[in-house]
Amino acid sequence: DAGVIQSPRHEVTEMGQEVTLRCKPISGHDYLFWYRQTMMRGLELLIYFNNNVPIDDSGMPEDRFSAKMPNASFSTLKIQPSEPRDSAVYFCASSFGSSWEKLFFGSGTQLSVL
Amino acid sequence: AQSVAQPEDQVNVAEGNPLTVKCTYSVSGNPYLFWYVQYPNRGLQFLLKYITGDNLVKGSYGFEAEFNKSQTSFHLKKPSALVSDSALYFCAVRDRGSARQLTFGSGTQLTVLP
Repeated sequence: DAGVIQSPRHEVTEMGQEVTLRCKPISGHDYLFWYRQTMMRGLELLIYFNNNVPIDDSGMPEDRFSAKMPNASFSTLKIQPSEPRDSAVYFCASSFGSSWEKLFFGSGTQLSVL
Repeated sequence: AQSVAQPEDQVNVAEGNPLTVKCTYSVSGNPYLFWYVQYPNRGLQFLLKYITGDNLVKGSYGFEAEFNKSQTSFHLKKPSALVSDSALYFCAVRDRGSARQLTFGSGTQLTVLP
């Protein structure tokens, strides 16, 4: 398996633009997590899905952020409109069943909002 | 609420010497505890976990961690450090009674000097 695949690896955009981050989890995994990593706040959970259903989105900063998981092999995190304070590394992670805490992380998307 | 603290931002150790990366936690019930490692420009990788049983847990790459309930600690250890162990290490905790969410520490940068 290729592991968790995220795209793009780097995204540079201007304030106010829409940004879409993509994630393909490991095949067979039923949990998918979106995390954000910054120097100031460390690693924060934004939202997670179980069997494609959003379970907890309490970490989503505000209404500008939205996440979807239309099927078991694809998820998106969208920011609209983007702001400079959204600049961070966004990680997607997946896991399976009773060992759900063993997360497999993608390589992340480095987002810079100018 | 659950929380985890990594009191050291940076740990330096000479190659071949033993290493310790410290972690303390706070949960209302019994904890599940984890260590993850992050190499540059990569996502986090699972190292080991403590669920129950033996207080000394062995994980990947020769790492181990010791659970100490009285001190609410879960320190990561390795008898003989390698230069390739240099990375960012994260401790994480989950309260057994809580939702399926891991809380990560702020991370400790380990540098092994040749």
